[in-house]
Parts: sequence; C-alpha cells; structure tokens
Amino acid sequence: DSGVTQTPKHLITATGQRVTLRCSPRSGDLSVYWYQQSLDQGLQFLIQYYNGEERAKGNILERFSAQQFPDLHSELNLSSLELGDSALYFCASSGSLSTGELFFGEGSRLTVL
Amino acid sequence: DAKTTQPNSMESNEEEPVHLPCNHSTISGTDYIHWYRQLPSQGPEYVIHGLTSNVNNRMASLAIAEDRKSSTLILHRATLRDAAVYYCILRFNFGNEKLTFGTGTRLTIIP
Repeated sequence: DSGVTQTPKHLITATGQRVTLRCSPRSGDLSVYWYQQSLDQGLQFLIQYYNGEERAKGNILERFSAQQFPDLHSELNLSSLELGDSALYFCASSGSLSTGELFFGEGSRLTVL
Repeated sequence: DAKTTQPNSMESNEEEPVHLPCNHSTISGTDYIHWYRQLPSQGPEYVIHGLTSNVNNRMASLAIAEDRKSSTLILHRATLRDAAVYYCILRFNFGNEKLTFGTGTRLTIIP
C-alpha cells in the first residue's frame, strides 16, 4: 500500500461525456503528479501540482484540467471524452526534498465507449 | 530530459541473480539515476536510486559505472514476484521534479 488513494478504480462512460478522477496523496506530501498510461503510449506525464500551485505541465490535452485543493487532494477533469482517452490514469505524490521518491496509487481505469 | 536506453525484454530463471542494464551517455552532473518497476495491473513503485556510488537496499543493488554513462540494477535472487517492467530514469533529485518514463525492460522470470 503506497498510501496514495485514487477513486474511482474503474469508470465506463460514453464519448462526449465528462469525468472527474480523484487522488488523495500520502499524508503530508505536497506534490501530486498525474500520469496517463495507454497501451500504445506508455506512461505519459500530464501535470504536477505542488502545494496547490501548478508546477509542471506535460502532454496534457486542453480538454483535460486538474487542480490541487487546500487539503492537498487533487482532481483530474477529463471532458469531451474520446475513444482514445481510454487508459489507466495514475496519481503519484512525493514529499521528501532529499529523495523525491514518488509513490503511485493503483490507478483509475477509464473506458470510453 | 536526458535519455536512457534499456533492452526491451529480458528473461531470467527463478532464484538466480538478474542484471538489468541501462545506458545514459548524456547524463549530466546533477542527474540522479532512479529505478522504478511496474508489476502487472499496478502503479509503478520505487526500487532504488543513486548518484555516483553503488547503492544497496532491501529490494536491489545499483551499480553505477565510474563515468556514470551506464548503470545496472541487480536483483540478487529473482522470484516470480519480480516479473515486471523496470524503468531506468534520470532525474534532478531536488525539488520534486517529475519522472519521465521510457519504455523500460520487461523482465520475465522462468520458474
């Protein structure tokens, strides 16, 4: 158990819909990262937040957005869903400035039909 | 980000040591070498990291070449639970920098 909690674990929805994925980081971790893993793209970095502020941005589509709340949990919003958005979405958190080890959740599996 | 090169796949027999290589010829002086692994249907998990000296922990050992252009992750006695994709990643280690994953090495353990 990494201590990072992601909900929901599985989600099935239709094209054009909008979903929200939630991540609770390990207690005290200030950084949250979102990754997308699809069969043909591997693990792709989407976005990082540190203590409520956006820290780094990767290949995140404009239809996707994220935020980190004052209690440090984060949400990834995916809108106007397309078939190609079907993937595993992982959240990770880190807190130690000396090691920077990332702790990953078990992921949210999104299926767009 | 500096790139790493790993074999796509490797096989090893159960209860034997496994040496997973990684080349990183463009590594900079501030890059740490991190290894993560991803077991089937799970999120990646941290294995080990190092800068210049060899490192050991309860999961594995990391051997770093003197010129730092390559490294080897060593699993001393592989078990079936070690079957996973292993990622070698270069990362500036301070300030919670993101990890950039490559394609990794898929390790198969033969019973």
